[in-house]
Amino acid sequence: KAGVTQTPRYLIKTRGQQVTLSCSPISGHRSVSWYQQTPGQGLQFLFEYFSETQRNKGNFPGRFSGRQFSNSRSEMNVSTLELGDSALYLCASSSGQRAYEQYFGPGTRLTVT
Amino acid sequence: GIQVEQSPPDLILQEGANSTLRCNFSDSVNNLQWFHQNPWGQLINLFYIPSGTKQNGRLSATTVATERYSLLYISSSQTTDSGVYFCAVETRRDSNYQLIWGAGTKLIIKP
Repeated sequence: KAGVTQTPRYLIKTRGQQVTLSCSPISGHRSVSWYQQTPGQGLQFLFEYFSETQRNKGNFPGRFSGRQFSNSRSEMNVSTLELGDSALYLCASSSGQRAYEQYFGPGTRLTVT
Repeated sequence: GIQVEQSPPDLILQEGANSTLRCNFSDSVNNLQWFHQNPWGQLINLFYIPSGTKQNGRLSATTVATERYSLLYISSSQTTDSGVYFCAVETRRDSNYQLIWGAGTKLIIKP
């Protein structure tokens, strides 16, 4: 089985712009979770989508949003970028409901200048 | 909410050495996982271990759920073991499950 893929792998944006990141889960997996990783805050949960519905949400501002398509691919959008949004954004897919079954993609490294 | 603490935060060892990484959690959990993040950012599942002991090659893990800790053992370290090791515990909020992460142990193996 192919693993979780994320595009793009690297991205440079300027403050105020918006960005869309994409994640394709493992075939057959219906759950996609997004995480933000920064040196100062570590790994933080953004949200989870299951069967096109947001099932779980972390404590991030409304500038961070996501969606999931019928083929389980997911996109994450960040509007009005801030310098502090520079981070590694990780996507994880899961076949079921339990969080421990997650498998991670390689991440998208976003730099905001 | 539940707190997950990992120790030590940093560890530098020579190739061939053994190491023990610890994960403490503040409340009972549904289960616990260990991950390795390589220097390129890829997170790899190592163990799903809510209790007991598991072994995979040079790596083994033990979780004592009643005492709220887990240990990851790495024997005969190799330079490819370098990276950050995370433990994450699964908790349930309403009907949804979520992973709560420790801050990680950064391991550097010198040749």
